[in-house]
Amino acid sequence: DGGITQSPKYLFRKEGQNVTLSCEQNLNHDAMYWYRQDPGQGLRLIYYSQIVNDFQKGDIAEGYSVSREKKESFPLTVTSAQKNPTAFYLCASKGQGDVQPQHFGDGTRLSIL
Amino acid sequence: GQNIDQPTEMTATEGAIVQINCTYQTSGFNGLFWYQQHAGEAPTFLSYNVLDGLEEKGRFSSFLSRSKGYSYLLLKELQMKDSASYLCATMDSNYQLIWGAGTKLIIKP
Repeated sequence: DGGITQSPKYLFRKEGQNVTLSCEQNLNHDAMYWYRQDPGQGLRLIYYSQIVNDFQKGDIAEGYSVSREKKESFPLTVTSAQKNPTAFYLCASKGQGDVQPQHFGDGTRLSIL
Repeated sequence: GQNIDQPTEMTATEGAIVQINCTYQTSGFNGLFWYQQHAGEAPTFLSYNVLDGLEEKGRFSSFLSRSKGYSYLLLKELQMKDSASYLCATMDSNYQLIWGAGTKLIIKP
Protein backbone atom coordinates (compact mmCIF):
# COMPACT_ATOMS: atom_id res chain seq x y z
CA ASP A 1 0.00 0.00 0.00
CA GLY A 2 1.26 3.48 -0.84
CA GLY A 3 1.74 5.92 1.95
CA ILE A 4 3.95 8.12 4.07
CA THR A 5 5.93 6.69 6.95
CA GLN A 6 7.28 8.81 9.73
CA SER A 7 9.61 7.50 12.40
CA PRO A 8 9.98 7.36 15.27
CA LYS A 9 6.50 7.94 16.66
CA TYR A 10 7.93 9.40 19.88
CA LEU A 11 11.32 11.07 20.32
CA PHE A 12 13.07 12.66 23.25
CA ARG A 13 15.78 15.26 22.93
CA LYS A 14 18.42 16.16 25.47
CA GLU A 15 19.75 19.69 25.90
CA GLY A 16 22.22 20.61 23.14
CA GLN A 17 21.38 17.59 21.03
CA ASN A 18 20.40 17.44 17.37
CA VAL A 19 17.74 14.89 16.45
CA THR A 20 16.54 13.72 13.04
CA LEU A 21 12.98 12.81 12.15
CA SER A 22 12.49 10.43 9.26
CA CYS A 23 9.89 10.77 6.50
CA GLU A 24 9.62 8.28 3.64
CA GLN A 25 6.95 8.09 0.95
CA ASN A 26 6.26 5.54 -1.76
CA LEU A 27 3.56 7.57 -3.53
CA ASN A 28 6.00 8.83 -6.19
CA HIS A 29 5.18 12.38 -5.13
CA ASP A 30 7.53 15.20 -6.07
CA ALA A 31 6.54 17.67 -3.34
CA MET A 32 7.16 17.04 0.35
CA TYR A 33 6.51 19.21 3.41
CA TRP A 34 7.31 19.43 7.10
CA TYR A 35 4.86 21.03 9.51
CA ARG A 36 4.88 21.67 13.20
CA GLN A 37 1.61 21.39 15.16
CA ASP A 38 1.19 23.00 18.58
CA PRO A 39 -1.97 22.98 20.71
CA GLY A 40 -4.40 25.73 19.76
CA GLN A 41 -2.51 26.66 16.61
CA GLY A 42 -2.76 25.78 12.95
CA LEU A 43 -0.10 23.72 11.22
CA ARG A 44 2.97 25.83 10.55
CA LEU A 45 5.26 25.14 7.60
CA ILE A 46 8.90 24.49 8.45
CA TYR A 47 10.42 23.46 5.11
CA TYR A 48 9.18 22.17 1.80
CA SER A 49 10.71 20.58 -1.27
CA GLN A 50 9.20 20.45 -4.72
CA ILE A 51 11.93 18.40 -6.35
CA VAL A 52 14.96 16.32 -5.44
CA ASN A 53 18.02 18.34 -4.33
CA ASP A 54 15.95 21.48 -3.82
CA PHE A 55 14.08 22.80 -0.78
CA GLN A 56 12.76 26.10 0.55
CA LYS A 57 12.26 27.57 4.00
CA GLY A 58 8.75 27.85 5.32
CA ASP A 59 7.45 30.25 7.94
CA ILE A 60 9.39 28.82 10.92
CA ALA A 61 12.61 27.35 9.51
CA GLU A 62 14.95 28.71 12.18
CA GLY A 63 16.52 25.91 14.21
CA TYR A 64 15.65 23.24 11.65
CA SER A 65 17.40 21.74 8.62
CA VAL A 66 16.40 19.32 5.87
CA SER A 67 17.83 17.41 2.93
CA ARG A 68 16.23 15.94 -0.18
CA GLU A 69 18.75 13.57 -1.71
CA LYS A 70 16.12 11.06 -2.84
CA LYS A 71 12.58 11.54 -4.08
CA GLU A 72 11.25 9.18 -1.42
CA SER A 73 12.95 10.74 1.59
CA PHE A 74 12.79 14.13 3.31
CA PRO A 75 14.40 13.97 6.77
CA LEU A 76 14.09 16.86 9.22
CA THR A 77 16.81 17.68 11.74
CA VAL A 78 15.83 19.62 14.84
CA THR A 79 19.01 21.35 15.92
CA SER A 80 20.05 22.58 19.35
CA ALA A 81 19.34 26.10 18.06
CA GLN A 82 15.60 25.32 18.22
CA LYS A 83 14.88 26.35 21.79
CA ASN A 84 11.30 25.17 21.94
CA PRO A 85 11.20 21.92 19.99
CA THR A 86 8.40 20.20 21.89
CA ALA A 87 5.64 19.69 19.33
CA PHE A 88 3.94 17.22 17.01
CA TYR A 89 5.78 17.09 13.67
CA LEU A 90 3.91 16.13 10.52
CA CYS A 91 5.36 15.25 7.15
CA ALA A 92 3.24 15.49 4.01
CA SER A 93 3.58 14.90 0.30
CA LYS A 94 1.63 16.01 -2.72
CA GLY A 95 1.23 14.63 -6.21
CA GLN A 96 1.56 16.52 -9.49
CA GLY A 97 -0.73 19.47 -9.93
CA ASP A 98 -0.87 22.66 -7.90
CA VAL A 99 -4.22 22.00 -6.20
CA GLN A 100 -3.76 18.38 -5.23
CA PRO A 101 -4.42 17.58 -1.55
CA GLN A 102 -1.48 16.92 0.71
CA HIS A 103 -1.22 13.45 2.25
CA PHE A 104 0.19 13.16 5.75
CA GLY A 105 2.23 10.71 7.75
CA ASP A 106 1.20 9.72 11.28
CA GLY A 107 3.52 12.24 12.89
CA THR A 108 6.39 12.27 15.37
CA ARG A 109 5.91 13.67 18.86
CA LEU A 110 9.11 15.30 20.07
CA SER A 111 9.68 16.15 23.72
CA ILE A 112 12.58 17.58 25.71
CA LEU A 113 14.14 15.45 28.44
CA GLY B 1 -2.13 39.23 5.57
CA GLN B 2 -3.51 35.76 6.08
CA ASN B 3 -6.04 34.86 8.72
CA ILE B 4 -8.30 31.86 9.19
CA ASP B 5 -10.87 31.57 11.96
CA GLN B 6 -12.70 28.48 13.17
CA PRO B 7 -14.50 27.80 16.45
CA THR B 8 -12.20 26.09 18.93
CA GLU B 9 -14.65 23.42 20.04
CA MET B 10 -18.16 22.21 19.27
CA THR B 11 -20.40 19.56 20.80
CA ALA B 12 -23.11 17.61 19.01
CA THR B 13 -25.27 14.55 19.56
CA GLU B 14 -24.95 11.22 17.81
CA GLY B 15 -27.31 11.05 14.82
CA ALA B 16 -27.65 14.84 14.56
CA ILE B 17 -26.24 17.38 12.07
CA VAL B 18 -23.44 19.83 12.77
CA GLN B 19 -22.03 22.73 10.77
CA ILE B 20 -18.43 23.84 11.32
CA ASN B 21 -17.70 27.32 10.00
CA CYS B 22 -14.46 28.75 8.67
CA THR B 23 -13.84 32.38 7.72
CA TYR B 24 -10.72 33.52 5.97
CA GLN B 25 -8.83 36.55 4.76
CA THR B 26 -5.99 35.77 2.36
CA SER B 27 -3.91 37.79 -0.06
CA GLY B 28 -4.47 35.19 -2.79
CA PHE B 29 -6.93 32.31 -3.07
CA ASN B 30 -6.66 29.02 -4.89
CA GLY B 31 -9.26 27.07 -3.01
CA LEU B 32 -10.12 25.78 0.45
CA PHE B 33 -9.48 22.35 1.96
CA TRP B 34 -11.08 20.54 4.87
CA TYR B 35 -9.21 17.82 6.74
CA GLN B 36 -10.19 15.54 9.61
CA GLN B 37 -7.64 14.76 12.32
CA HIS B 38 -8.17 12.25 15.13
CA ALA B 39 -6.08 12.93 18.23
CA GLY B 40 -2.44 11.99 17.73
CA GLU B 41 -3.00 10.91 14.14
CA ALA B 42 -2.45 12.22 10.62
CA PRO B 43 -4.86 14.73 9.09
CA THR B 44 -6.88 13.10 6.32
CA PHE B 45 -8.30 14.95 3.32
CA LEU B 46 -12.07 15.49 3.27
CA SER B 47 -12.89 18.07 0.61
CA TYR B 48 -11.67 20.83 -1.69
CA ASN B 49 -13.73 23.82 -2.88
CA VAL B 50 -12.56 26.45 -5.33
CA LEU B 51 -15.89 27.56 -6.79
CA ASP B 52 -18.88 28.91 -4.87
CA GLY B 53 -21.45 26.40 -3.83
CA LEU B 54 -22.00 23.13 -2.07
CA GLU B 55 -20.02 19.93 -2.67
CA GLU B 56 -21.62 16.81 -1.25
CA LYS B 57 -19.70 13.65 -0.46
CA GLY B 58 -21.72 11.10 1.46
CA ARG B 59 -22.46 12.28 4.99
CA PHE B 60 -20.07 15.22 4.58
CA SER B 61 -20.70 18.38 2.54
CA SER B 62 -18.59 21.50 2.14
CA PHE B 63 -19.74 24.96 1.10
CA LEU B 64 -17.78 27.96 -0.15
CA SER B 65 -18.62 31.63 -0.66
CA ARG B 66 -15.60 33.44 -2.06
CA SER B 67 -17.20 36.88 -1.87
CA LYS B 68 -17.82 36.41 1.87
CA GLY B 69 -14.55 34.60 2.63
CA TYR B 70 -16.59 31.85 4.22
CA SER B 71 -16.82 28.10 4.17
CA TYR B 72 -18.56 25.46 6.22
CA LEU B 73 -18.31 21.72 6.64
CA LEU B 74 -21.64 19.98 7.23
CA LEU B 75 -21.67 16.58 8.89
CA LYS B 76 -24.92 14.60 8.84
CA GLU B 77 -26.03 11.50 10.78
CA LEU B 78 -23.21 11.99 13.23
CA GLN B 79 -21.41 8.91 14.48
CA MET B 80 -19.16 8.57 17.51
CA LYS B 81 -16.19 8.04 15.18
CA ASP B 82 -16.71 11.59 13.85
CA SER B 83 -15.26 12.90 17.13
CA ALA B 84 -12.10 14.57 15.85
CA SER B 85 -10.61 17.93 14.97
CA TYR B 86 -11.60 19.47 11.65
CA LEU B 87 -8.99 21.65 9.98
CA CYS B 88 -9.75 24.35 7.45
CA ALA B 89 -6.92 25.45 5.13
CA THR B 90 -6.81 27.91 2.26
CA MET B 91 -4.38 27.70 -0.63
CA ASP B 92 -2.66 31.00 -1.33
CA SER B 93 -1.40 32.49 -4.58
CA ASN B 94 1.84 30.44 -4.25
CA TYR B 95 -0.18 27.24 -3.81
CA GLN B 96 0.90 26.93 -0.17
CA LEU B 97 -1.63 25.97 2.50
CA ILE B 98 -2.54 28.38 5.30
CA TRP B 99 -4.10 26.45 8.19
CA GLY B 100 -6.71 27.34 10.74
CA ALA B 101 -6.22 26.12 14.32
CA GLY B 102 -8.90 23.47 13.89
CA THR B 103 -12.28 22.80 15.49
CA LYS B 104 -12.49 19.99 18.02
CA LEU B 105 -15.82 18.21 17.57
CA ILE B 106 -17.15 16.21 20.51
CA ILE B 107 -19.97 13.76 19.81
CA LYS B 108 -22.17 12.73 22.73
CA PRO B 109 -24.41 9.65 22.74
